[in-house]
Amino acid sequence: DTAVSQTPKYLVTQMGNDKSIKCEQNLGHDTMYWYKQDSKKFLKIMFSYNNKELIINETVPNRFSPKSPDKAHLNLHINSLELGDSAVYFCASSQDRRALRNTGELFFGEGSRLTVL
Amino acid sequence: KNEVEQSPQNLTAQEGEFITINCSYSVGISALHWLQQHPGGGIVSLFMLSSGKKKHGRLIATINIQEKHSSLHITASHPRDSAVYICAVTTGNQFYFGTGTSLTVIP
Repeated sequence: DTAVSQTPKYLVTQMGNDKSIKCEQNLGHDTMYWYKQDSKKFLKIMFSYNNKELIINETVPNRFSPKSPDKAHLNLHINSLELGDSAVYFCASSQDRRALRNTGELFFGEGSRLTVL
Repeated sequence: KNEVEQSPQNLTAQEGEFITINCSYSVGISALHWLQQHPGGGIVSLFMLSSGKKKHGRLIATINIQEKHSSLHITASHPRDSAVYICAVTTGNQFYFGTGTSLTVIP
């Protein structure tokens, strides 16, 4: 039973399309995150939600919009996809905001590889 | 310049060797995470620490807050340890990641 699950695992789409990646965690955690890993394998945080409230909103294009319908879900919507959006997107969760401080371990999903043609 | 620097970038070791991966950071942190990314792409959290030392099996992580430095040690390395090891720090409201150390352990 996967703790943090992302769908789809692979997504190939054309430039200009709008797509979504879904993330669900069944750990009862309060805090969820989206990270982007580029072609050089460099990870960067994009967003974080704590109990449906946005707490980290990095400098990413407005085309990226997270949506958290409840604390177990954090979906990532991307509008007008561009070539540079091709990357692996990781969802993660932690029990609460303490992952940002000193006591909360991170649990990662398996990643969603987005390829924009 | 990246807020988190790791060394070495690539490391090849013979099975059984003792391995050390270093992480230096330039920001004030609340915690430091060591992550492991397997060739298949999945990421696993190995340690989170804010002081001292933690041990889990053959893995040991240490941190020196004054020197802004952490090390990840692997004792008796094994081919299954081959992965990318990523250091990440949190400042209370932000995450910064190192570029990773790619480890290959040869039988």
